[in-house]
Amino acid sequence: GAVVSQHPSWVICKSGTSVKIECRSLDFQATTMFWYRQFPKQSLMLMATSNEGSKATYEQGVEKDKFLINHASLTLSTLTVTSAHPEDSSFYICSASKFSYGYTFGSGTRLTVV
Amino acid sequence: AQKVTQAQTEISVVEKEDVTLDCVYETRDTTYYLFWYKQPPSGELVFLIRRNSFDEQNEISGRYSWNFQKSTSSFNFTITASQVVDSAVYFCALSYNQAGTALIFGKGTTLSVSS
Repeated sequence: GAVVSQHPSWVICKSGTSVKIECRSLDFQATTMFWYRQFPKQSLMLMATSNEGSKATYEQGVEKDKFLINHASLTLSTLTVTSAHPEDSSFYICSASKFSYGYTFGSGTRLTVV
Repeated sequence: AQKVTQAQTEISVVEKEDVTLDCVYETRDTTYYLFWYKQPPSGELVFLIRRNSFDEQNEISGRYSWNFQKSTSSFNFTITASQVVDSAVYFCALSYNQAGTALIFGKGTTLSVSS
């Protein structure tokens, strides 16, 4: 079956630093990748949609300069949280999709900014 | 606009009880897809089922069953003879595509099964 690898699983960083999260589809080429954020006891909120080789489309209220998304290949998308602050602490989860595969989610990254 | 409502925030049952998780959706599209996911404490999303709008047949998979009714825009999920391992957050989601467009999630229902 389709597998999406997301790394790291968890990360603690100091306020003001940047953190990069990788999302990799291991056995298929993803047409589109999605990034979600989930705060404790809340639902998954879509942050952005990215297609390989093009700029990501951000949802309203998501700062594109703070959450940099790069989708350089059909198997890799990265989310970089720049100048992280404690309020950015959250669970970030990616999803890769392709017509015949549907949606496959990564295992998520728990980010804590101290 | 698409919307998914899971009115039940938390449900607590005792093992072996049956439990139904409700999901009501809104969409203007005639073609759409409905999903259920399970999120255990580890955080990973576990895919349970996908249904397209043209297939109203109910489905059973072991202790899990799903009831899709377009007339009431509902896609409810029933767990029969619940077990402690069923404790998790369950999300219902909607998309107008099999892939390529983002899933719209409901707020989730936290199911707690006690022994």
